[in-house]
Amino acid sequence: IVLTQSPGTLSLSPGERATLSCRASQNVNSASLAWYRQRPGQAPRLLIYGASSRATDIPDRISGSGSGTDFTLTINRLEPEDSAVYYCQQYKSPSHTFGQGTKLEIK
Amino acid sequence: QVQLVQSGAEVRKPGASVKVSCRTSGRIFTYYTLHWIRQAPGQGLEWMGIIDPNSGGTGYAQKFQGRITMTSDTSTGTVYMELNSLTSEDTAVFYCAREPGHLKFHFDSWGQGTLVTVSS
Repeated sequence: IVLTQSPGTLSLSPGERATLSCRASQNVNSASLAWYRQRPGQAPRLLIYGASSRATDIPDRISGSGSGTDFTLTINRLEPEDSAVYYCQQYKSPSHTFGQGTKLEIK
Repeated sequence: QVQLVQSGAEVRKPGASVKVSCRTSGRIFTYYTLHWIRQAPGQGLEWMGIIDPNSGGTGYAQKFQGRITMTSDTSTGTVYMELNSLTSEDTAVFYCAREPGHLKFHFDSWGQGTLVTVSS
């Protein structure tokens, strides 16, 4: 399964809302769809699993939604610390695949 | 809190092999699997394979079949990833990551990453 993320880069101001898209080449089991944030020089960090469940210590201004082939990560009330690359990921036996990433810039 | 601590950066010549380790802390070997994921400079994430640390069972991405081996040492809580026949295209940061249980499908803890540079 190929995951295509859009947009490639998103530039927004603090306080705005970011909407990141992840589209799959075929239906994805929602239980296997996750989102990660990667800041420069750091390892990725899990944000969302099962398409919509927040990981430990992730604030509720970050949310995930979607099903089938279309999934969305929404970040409300943007803060400077949200600057990062965001990846979606899915599993279909026997492999995990990642999207190519969306770079979120906070102006 | 789960911690995954990886070995340090490596430099190898083309054709050589590299073995990267990932040591786990705490009582976390029992109910989860570990994965290896790599990231070439400026690029995205690429899943390489999975190991069940207790059984030693493995599964590799087709792209790496035949030149990757994952092993575990339950006495030290360490898993290893060895990649052979290195080329410059293998230059990347390699991460180990934990899948927190059978068929959880996501990775909730990551090592700090190990940079492997392949250069003549």
